[in-house]
Amino acid sequence: DAKTTQPPSMDCAEGRAANLPCNHSTISGNEYVYWYRQIHSQGPQYIIHGLKNNETNEMASLIITEDRKSSTLILPHATLRDTAVYYCIVRVTGTASKLTFGTGTRLQVTL
Amino acid sequence: NAGVMQNPRHLVRRRGQEARLRCSPMKGHSHVYWYRQLPEEGLKFMVYLQKENIIDESGMPKERFSAEFPKEGPSILRIQQVVRGDSAAYFCASSRDRGAGDTQYFGPGTRLTVL
Repeated sequence: DAKTTQPPSMDCAEGRAANLPCNHSTISGNEYVYWYRQIHSQGPQYIIHGLKNNETNEMASLIITEDRKSSTLILPHATLRDTAVYYCIVRVTGTASKLTFGTGTRLQVTL
Repeated sequence: NAGVMQNPRHLVRRRGQEARLRCSPMKGHSHVYWYRQLPEEGLKFMVYLQKENIIDESGMPKERFSAEFPKEGPSILRIQQVVRGDSAAYFCASSRDRGAGDTQYFGPGTRLTVL
């Protein structure tokens, strides 16, 4: 699986959009970008995933650049409950393979 | 639809005892994965199982650790003769299949403390 690079930490004001970047310059054609988050010490929570098209669900939006070498997770209206460590993971989907977690981005949402 | 269930949520063992961690996957999911998170460290893959089969155990320590996912019942992660270094949060995830439905969903974890 391709390696990802994320900033170690970010701050966001409550009510504003949180934009979390991820670089995956070695991604291959059959690898998807997945986002998970871990709130405090709870189990990781799946957020969203995509291959090359932008994706949106009830939690977030995923914007993938045309060359697929980077992506951005957008939480449109961050709340205090979105404070968590966010992980960007690249993997081949459809193979039921393991997830390789990096160090992620610690997002702190403040009043 | 209930999510992934793990029990116990907290487990305390003395050195040398055995620890058994249970994981019930989401309904309709036949793939189970175990991950470990040591204190102040990231999540590390341990083992991937399908019903009655171990598919990938590349992350399992070579000794004292074993996992099973029987035809009936939950998946079990077993740690024999626990040591202090086994103290960690153990998370189980499940997925539906190997196709488009292989997104993994995680349980709340079992926090193992070895005294």
